[in-house]
Amino acid sequence: TAGITQAPTSQILAAGRSMTLRCTQDMRHNAMYWYRQDLGLGLRLIHYSNTAGTTGKGEVPDGYSVSRANTDDFPLTLASAVPSQTSVYFCASSEGGHILNEQFFGPGTRLTVL
Amino acid sequence: EDQVTQSPEALRLQEGESSSLNCSYTVSGLRGLFWYRQDPGKGPEFLFTLYSAGEEKEKERLKATLTKKESFLHITAPKPEDSATYLCAVQAASNTGKLIFGQGTTLQVKP
Repeated sequence: TAGITQAPTSQILAAGRSMTLRCTQDMRHNAMYWYRQDLGLGLRLIHYSNTAGTTGKGEVPDGYSVSRANTDDFPLTLASAVPSQTSVYFCASSEGGHILNEQFFGPGTRLTVL
Repeated sequence: EDQVTQSPEALRLQEGESSSLNCSYTVSGLRGLFWYRQDPGKGPEFLFTLYSAGEEKEKERLKATLTKKESFLHITAPKPEDSATYLCAVQAASNTGKLIFGQGTTLQVKP
């Protein structure tokens, strides 16, 4: 079982360009999450989805958008990238957003915006 | 405001030298506290969930404990392969499903 896959592994992006980070899980988990991890700031929630067809804003949603068309996929889009969005992005999933259970994380995407 | 603080930021130990990592939290109604391990260049890996004060969980050389204000991750006789960043996160009753992470403690165990 692959668990959670993310693509690309890393990317260098020019400021002002758009990009979509892909996330796919094969565990049939209801809930999915996007975090960014920055040195000294830890993991911060960007957006989440408790079930297919619904999404919600996390702690740092500005400049990002998500969609949840089906259970398995949860893409994160940067419409017009800025240097402050340089970070490592992690996708995660759990069985149910309303149930207390652990989140499983993907391997991350390292994004550099120049 | 819900908050999680981990200390120390970094810890260097000799192999076999036991120690503890601290996770202090302020949250409106704790539903659960999670410990994760993160190796360089990888995503966090789940270790433990603690639900209520007084609870303890163990896995190999690691033991996690929980009080009403903090959690400790005790590492007994660590080995170099225990070197990693350890993350603490809390789920508040008001934040259904969402985790609030601390900044992590980076542990280095020297042989």
